Amino acid sequence: DGGITQSPKYLFRKEGQNVTLSCEQNLNHDAMYWYRQDPGQGLRLIYYSQIVNDFQKGDIAEGYSVSREKKESFPLTVTSAQKNPTAFYLCASTPGRGGSPLHFGNGTRLTVT
Amino acid sequence: GNSVTQMEGPVTLSEEAFLTINCTYTATGYPSLFWYVQYPGEGLQLLLKATKADDKGSNKGFEATYRKETTSFHLEKGSVQVSDSAVYFCALIPNAGGTSYGKLTFGQGTILTVHP
Repeated sequence: DGGITQSPKYLFRKEGQNVTLSCEQNLNHDAMYWYRQDPGQGLRLIYYSQIVNDFQKGDIAEGYSVSREKKESFPLTVTSAQKNPTAFYLCASTPGRGGSPLHFGNGTRLTVT
Repeated sequence: GNSVTQMEGPVTLSEEAFLTINCTYTATGYPSLFWYVQYPGEGLQLLLKATKADDKGSNKGFEATYRKETTSFHLEKGSVQVSDSAVYFCALIPNAGGTSYGKLTFGQGTILTVHP
């Protein structure tokens, strides 16, 4: 079955360390997205990519970085510059056609202490 | 800018009760509207969608009608079950036929708890 795989499900890091969250899709979707979810705040867009080797900042990109070297993969690095990194991170993809809904992975919960 | 406002939660209901979760939006043009559901510890799943005015999206007993005159997309279900307990998100994509596809704007989410 096609889908989006995020790993790991839970991740723990010490403050000051960079950490990379994995996102892989086998849906042959062109566009991929990273969202951050905090209690009571809905989802906020971090970065998105509409095509390989290209990506754009979302609403809260500071302290994060991404790469899109392959169509299937869109890893997110949470750097030490991110002031409040503890959150639930969701990866999503879409075929890219207008109005297409997002398909989501099951998320990674990152805890930084 | 674009925005989505959902009714404040949490919402607590007894099984078989009627559910309404209000959602209103602000957007330029003619957005596509969505309801997503998130079960505990999981990602979001598309519940239903509507792409033009007066469209009704429906799935698993849930319904929502795209009302352009009131800029609303309220979610309803006639008889909820314990298994419907989840967080529900209203969302929009502005100008669905253009280049902003996939950049959803989400409401803050409404927690629904259904008791037996």
